[in-house]
Amino acid sequence: AQSVTQLDSHVSVSEGTPVLLRCNYSSSYSPSLFWYVQHPNKGLQLLLKYTSAATLVKGINGFEAEFKKSETSFHLTKPSAHMSDAAEYFCVPLQAGSARQLTFGSGTQLTVLP
Amino acid sequence: DGGITQSPKYLFRKEGQNVTLSCEQNLNHDAMYWYRQDPGQGLRLIYYSQIVNDFQKGDIAEGYSVSREKKESFPLTVTSAQKNPTAFYLCASTQQKNYGYTFGSGTRLTVV
Repeated sequence: AQSVTQLDSHVSVSEGTPVLLRCNYSSSYSPSLFWYVQHPNKGLQLLLKYTSAATLVKGINGFEAEFKKSETSFHLTKPSAHMSDAAEYFCVPLQAGSARQLTFGSGTQLTVLP
Repeated sequence: DGGITQSPKYLFRKEGQNVTLSCEQNLNHDAMYWYRQDPGQGLRLIYYSQIVNDFQKGDIAEGYSVSREKKESFPLTVTSAQKNPTAFYLCASTQQKNYGYTFGSGTRLTVV
């Protein structure tokens, strides 16, 4: 089974500065990976998805993530943080062939300071 | 637009009462899921259903029940046997082809 580690439980950035949310995966083969975002008291929204088609994946709201096999990483980045980016972010591996496709960990809380 | 509708958005339950949370989707998705989220924690799977009239327990099914009589609907009942039901409940659905999940906007349940 695939698993991921989100290296930071909390990240704080100033508005206008870059965002980096780290995610490392553990898998014996190339995984499928998702980044989801959850704003307070809302459901989860898919930001982007990696399925081995391209290593640099562009998502919504200016986010992107690069799959690096050599580093077993799939970090989420954004060049310039906006106040509306403050939310919880989940890096989630796909358990292919399982009815329980996605298993969610505790995520990374992003705070954006004015 | 297609999507998942959860209702109500906020729900208050008295001790010893059963309450039912609604989840409806018009995405024609086969599989549906119920999760519970507590403050500062990830999502924990309560129940899931891959097809109509069939469902399986997740990791924390005790004190909950579900039904799947229609493809579009997957209601969750929080019974009086659930000792600590105050939480945020999320419903999700997906096609069976590993596309990832679409989520509803959640129901916040509070015991009063």
